[in-house]
Amino acid sequence: QVTLKESGPGILQPSQTLSLTCTFSGFSLSTYGMGVGWIRQPSGKGLEWLANIWWDDDKYYNPSLKNRLTISKDTSNNQAFLKITNVDTADTATYYCARISITTVGFDYWGQGVMVTVSS
Amino acid sequence: DVVMTQTPVSLSVSLGGQVSISCRSSQSLVHNNGNTYLSWYLQKPGQSPQLLIYKVSNRFSGISDRFSGSGSGTDFTLKISRVEPDDLGVYYCGQGTQYPYTFGAGTKLELK
Repeated sequence: QVTLKESGPGILQPSQTLSLTCTFSGFSLSTYGMGVGWIRQPSGKGLEWLANIWWDDDKYYNPSLKNRLTISKDTSNNQAFLKITNVDTADTATYYCARISITTVGFDYWGQGVMVTVSS
Repeated sequence: DVVMTQTPVSLSVSLGGQVSISCRSSQSLVHNNGNTYLSWYLQKPGQSPQLLIYKVSNRFSGISDRFSGSGSGTDFTLKISRVEPDDLGVYYCGQGTQYPYTFGAGTKLELK
């Protein structure tokens, strides 16, 4: 059974760094073809893809966030991480992590999401 | 970036009816390897999105055969037959052919 769960600070101030953790089970990020992605969704709006990390440590980012993103993984502890630097109110959203594989190249299992509010 | 355009924005349906949602991409979604990485997701109220269809027409594990995907190149369709109450929510198409991955703006399926 594949599960993912996001965790984060809940609220932070503008200019701070947002650190998110995705803890998963039921698959391994050391397995060929597996990956984890981060997607966010402002309240009442659509989905925005942020970044992917793959089993071979390949990383891809959404250039719209202009080098503010860093994705990483801890294979031993079944975790993936996302950092967003210099946040502002536009980064207020629910952040999801989701599994992806080279079979589907679609996000097949999603976490429940974590709400992040950026406010002074 | 590949722009994904979904129509309609919202859709009203009677239980038991059939609906189609269109998704068009600004560029061909055929990957260099010959695959077309177009997926469909459903986000039910208050829930995370769930994968319905991948690679245009492949139903994900556990997804009812009432859901079917079709299309090619830049033009794709999701059909839902015999609509049930649990099908209501927002449907998104998404592409994974080219980075950055992008999603359509969503189609809200409501009861008539």
